[in-house]
Amino acid sequence: DTGVSQDPRHKITKRGQNVTFRCDPISEHNRLYWYRQTLGQGPEFLTYFQNEAQLEKSRLLSDRFSAERPKGSFSTLEIQRTEQGDSAMYLCASSDRDRGRTEAFFGQGTRLTVV
Amino acid sequence: AQSVTQPDIHITVSEGASLELRCNYSYGATPYLFWYVQSPGQGLQLLLKYFSGDTLVQGIKGFEAEFKRSQSSFNLRKPSVHWSDAAEYFCAVGARMGNAGKSTFGDGTTLTVKP
Repeated sequence: DTGVSQDPRHKITKRGQNVTFRCDPISEHNRLYWYRQTLGQGPEFLTYFQNEAQLEKSRLLSDRFSAERPKGSFSTLEIQRTEQGDSAMYLCASSDRDRGRTEAFFGQGTRLTVV
Repeated sequence: AQSVTQPDIHITVSEGASLELRCNYSYGATPYLFWYVQSPGQGLQLLLKYFSGDTLVQGIKGFEAEFKRSQSSFNLRKPSVHWSDAAEYFCAVGARMGNAGKSTFGDGTTLTVKP
């Protein structure tokens, strides 16, 4: 069990650029979650997948955000035309639905800074 | 809608002293409850979880928490704090229906440990 892996760990981008983050969940986990955490706040749910299906999206996920999990394994989160307000830590987590009640396991996060 | 309140933004305790971090939740039924710890720039590590049964749950690193339905609380305790416990602590309530990984988090309590 290598845990949830996120890449990159840090990203600095100019306003208006597009960025993409990758998340590799724990290998047997079929659920994958994306959260956003701004300074001084707790993580906020953005979206989740069960296998390759995106089952829920938060209202926080504007049209500039898109997430995919094409083969039910890794996932990508893309932000188009970044804004300064997008600066945050983006956290990925995974869980195993087939084990019933279980918590999500979090990765180390990707810190995005938009300048 | 579910919500979590952590009334204490910042707590300072002396090393070796006892600790209690408060958490109040709002949820329509018996919730799934979690406590996570986050070190600066890192992801979240699960300390303990409550799904059902015994209302006093034990976690890692010597932490415990007590679920009190009548008070809608899930306070975290540790009898003797170590300097390495300095971090940010998040309480979270997880969705039921088998999706505990989708959680609502409080805004966290920052713990400082004095030598």
